[in-house]
Amino acid sequence: EVQLVESGGGLVQPGGSLRLSCAASEFSLSGYWMSWVRRAPGKGLEWVANINPDGSDQYYVDSVKGRFTISRDNAKNSLYLQMSSLRAEDTAVYYCARAFNGMDVWGQGTTVTVSS
Amino acid sequence: DIVMTQTPLSSPVTLGQPASISCRSSQSLVHSDGTTYLSWLQQRPGQPPRLLIYTVSNRFSGVPDRFSGSGAGTDFTLKISRVEAEDVGVYYCMQATQFRYTFGQGTKLEIK
Repeated sequence: EVQLVESGGGLVQPGGSLRLSCAASEFSLSGYWMSWVRRAPGKGLEWVANINPDGSDQYYVDSVKGRFTISRDNAKNSLYLQMSSLRAEDTAVYYCARAFNGMDVWGQGTTVTVSS
Repeated sequence: DIVMTQTPLSSPVTLGQPASISCRSSQSLVHSDGTTYLSWLQQRPGQPPRLLIYTVSNRFSGVPDRFSGSGAGTDFTLKISRVEAEDVGVYYCMQATQFRYTFGQGTKLEIK
């Protein structure tokens, strides 16, 4: 079964850092654009970042630009989101998704809580 | 960035009755390749989002045929022909015409 599994979420203090991982199975990540999407408590879905298949192009929502970095390791079939200078408003469930036909495959999500 | 505006934001519906959600984009979603990258997703409580419709009107694998999408340019609609209990959740339109994707605010579908 085609699957994405996120990990790396947790509780972090404001100003701290966290690295999220997303492992793909039953398909090769190398053929696809990939995305990170988040949903903050009580809010809707927000696209966070995209990366092209070879990792040479990345795009970010303005609110995370300069603080978050999306990357990938196609050899490990994995996607990453390095988050730094975290703020309370970054608290959310973070999903990785395959950006094909919109977003056709989603992980279950990993929760990031930014609080002192 | 393209702004996606959904209406209504909340939709109480009677079981077995139709439901409709509108989505309007701040600029045309027709890509330079001629494709309109507008999709619809459903998020049930406690679950990740799920793709329902892609490129305006194509139903994703496993999606019941009571779901349909239509529209062009900047105006799009998701219709559910007969709402079932399992359809409760939040529905989002999303554009992928530009590299910086954007979602609508979400429409909460509830049963009356």
